[in-house]
Amino acid sequence: GIQVEQSPPDLILQEGANSTLRCNFSDSVNNLQWFHQNPWGQLINLFYIPSGTKQNGRLSATTVATERYSLLYISSSQTTDSGVYFCAVDRTGAYNLFFGTGTRLTVIP
Amino acid sequence: NAGVTQTPKFRILKIGQSMTLQCAQDMNHNYMYWYRQDPGMGLKLIYYSVGAGITDKGEVPNGYNVSRSTTEDFPLRLELAAPSQTSVYFCASSYSSLPRAPYEQYFGPGTRLTVT
Repeated sequence: GIQVEQSPPDLILQEGANSTLRCNFSDSVNNLQWFHQNPWGQLINLFYIPSGTKQNGRLSATTVATERYSLLYISSSQTTDSGVYFCAVDRTGAYNLFFGTGTRLTVIP
Repeated sequence: NAGVTQTPKFRILKIGQSMTLQCAQDMNHNYMYWYRQDPGMGLKLIYYSVGAGITDKGEVPNGYNVSRSTTEDFPLRLELAAPSQTSVYFCASSYSSLPRAPYEQYFGPGTRLTVT
C-alpha cells in the first residue's frame, strides 16, 4: 500500500500560537483528507484537498500533489484544537483511505 | 441528515462470542467502509462495499464478515471474537460516480469493542 508519513508526531503549543503539520505520501493519489480526532475519539472532517489550497476559519491546508505532500496550518491555536490530526490518502485505482499515524497536538492555556 | 450512525457505542465480548456492529447512512452514498483503529495508530480498512450486493476485502479482513443488502446499511460481523479484535471500529461512507474515484469519506462516531 501507499506510505503516509506525518510530522511532527507530537506538538505542544501555547494558546494563540501558530503551527504547521506536514503529510508526505509515497505515490500518486486521487484524494487527500485531513481529520481532527478529538479527545472523545470522534473523527471530524477538516479538509478534502487532493490539490491546491483551502481555508476554513483559522485552519488552512495546501496540497502539492506533484511533490507528494500536504500541509495543515493552524493559526491562533485554542485549547479546543487539542487532539490528533490525521492525514489520509487514497491511492490511484483504489478506494480506501490510507492513514498516517497522526500528529498529537496539545494546546495549553 | 443524521449522517453515518453506528451502534452500539461500547461493547465487551468474551473470547469466542460473536456480534454484529451496525452501520447506517442517510446520505445516499454508494460506497461504504469499515475501519479499525488500534491504540496510538491510524485507521486500517477491514472491508468496503461499492454498492448493494458488492463487497471486497481491505487490509485486515481476517475474523470479520460483511454484507450489504441495502444502500443504507453495512453491518460488520465478528465471529469467534479474539483479544486481537479489541479496537475502535469506524464505519464510513462516500459517493462516487464512475469512472471518477470516490469523493470525501464521512465517518461515524465509532464503536469501542473490548474482547476479554
